[in-house]
Amino acid sequence: QVQLVQSGAEVKKPGASVRVSCKSSGYTSTSLGISWVRQAPGQGPEWMGWISDYNGNIKYAQKFQGRVTLTTDTFTRTAYMELTSLRSDDTAVYFCTREFCDTTRCFGGDFWGRGTLVTVSS
Amino acid sequence: QSVLTQPPSVSAAPGQKVTLSCSGSTSNIGNNFVCWYQQLPGTAPKLLIYENNKRPSGIPDRFSGSKSGTSATLGITGLQTGDESDYYCGTWDSSLSAYVFGTGTKVTV
Repeated sequence: QVQLVQSGAEVKKPGASVRVSCKSSGYTSTSLGISWVRQAPGQGPEWMGWISDYNGNIKYAQKFQGRVTLTTDTFTRTAYMELTSLRSDDTAVYFCTREFCDTTRCFGGDFWGRGTLVTVSS
Repeated sequence: QSVLTQPPSVSAAPGQKVTLSCSGSTSNIGNNFVCWYQQLPGTAPKLLIYENNKRPSGIPDRFSGSKSGTSATLGITGLQTGDESDYYCGTWDSSLSAYVFGTGTKVTV
């Protein structure tokens, strides 16, 4: 069965960086990728970006451009999201989700990881 | 602020039907597929509807989706206490070049 297993909770100070991992299994596809979605306490989900599983294509939400980096290790099937210059309003649960995107748009995540809580506090 | 607007809350008795709305524009709902997600407290969103009206395997046919113009609707029939949850719509926004989620609707049974 499809599984996305994320790394554990993180506590960071303002100005620091955080890297969250997402290991996928249970499926093979040359047309899928991993999106990252965050959800601040009491807020709705917020899409951050997508990275292809197979050709390295990346899409970033404009809001996070320059501060987020998505990478993937195709051998271990692990995707990574690094967010820099952390602020208190970056405190959120960060989810990875399997998603299909073509050259112009994405179509919504189907399977989701359980989420990683990132707390930014001095 | 989200570009997709949902009513904050809806309530109905067990066994009844509810319809949840999601209002957008031509840059998002009007020209892209809509998904619907259910999110129980403390858990990840769960895909209920994709491509406007398709249900993934395992989702009961009590859940249905539709789209008309720049609005989408999720219907839930035969409400159960287990349906108490937050529900979000989602779609691509061509102006923002980003996937966007609605403001969310809390369903109370």
